[in-house]
Amino acid sequence: SQQGEEDPQALSIQEGENATMNCSYKTSINNLQWYRQNSGRGLVHLILIRSNEREKHSGRLRVTLDTSKKSSSLLITASRAADTASYFCATDGNTDKLIFGTGTRLQVFP
Amino acid sequence: GAGVSQSPRYKVTKRGQDVALRCDPISGHVSLYWYRQALGQGPEFLTYFNYEAQQDKSGLPNDRFSAERPEGSISTLTIQRTEQRDSAMYRCASSLFGTTSGGITGELFFGEGSRLTVL
Repeated sequence: SQQGEEDPQALSIQEGENATMNCSYKTSINNLQWYRQNSGRGLVHLILIRSNEREKHSGRLRVTLDTSKKSSSLLITASRAADTASYFCATDGNTDKLIFGTGTRLQVFP
Repeated sequence: GAGVSQSPRYKVTKRGQDVALRCDPISGHVSLYWYRQALGQGPEFLTYFNYEAQQDKSGLPNDRFSAERPEGSISTLTIQRTEQRDSAMYRCASSLFGTTSGGITGELFFGEGSRLTVL
């Protein structure tokens, strides 16, 4: 079963534009993580945000968390063609296992 | 090793055969996870270990699936009497930290996966 759902399922933008992806989840959480996956490769961790945090930054990435709405967003600023990938949120659902969402496929055109 | 290593990378087998997929985690990592990923979907949790102890196997689809990590390092996922619906990418991940009541506090490092095709 999958805990989260990303929205939109697919997103196409031009280089230099910002990309925003949203994640909704079902149960309370301790932490939420975002991962990136290039074309069938292994997933790569991007950022972790704890349930008591509301916003976190890492380079061109900005993650927000709203536990009252059970949602998170990932913003990639000034996107590059190399950002083309699938992005997944993952939550621990107050358990000790990480459950992934369905993913957003981002296409950045040069 | 430098990263999580999985073998074989590709496995084609006939229906009814048993397969064993191996995962060699990053040295010193406490937790090891197995996921299954269908094309265009997110990874689906199967099972995980802290050291050699299997903590949760609730994601294993049925009793044809089993996993072990006898010495707290390398893990094997075994699928007996394979069926065509078992065809998927099987991914292993490890984490430096064990799980705590505070949830998953560490990042997972994923291997490249083992693609299983059952004919």
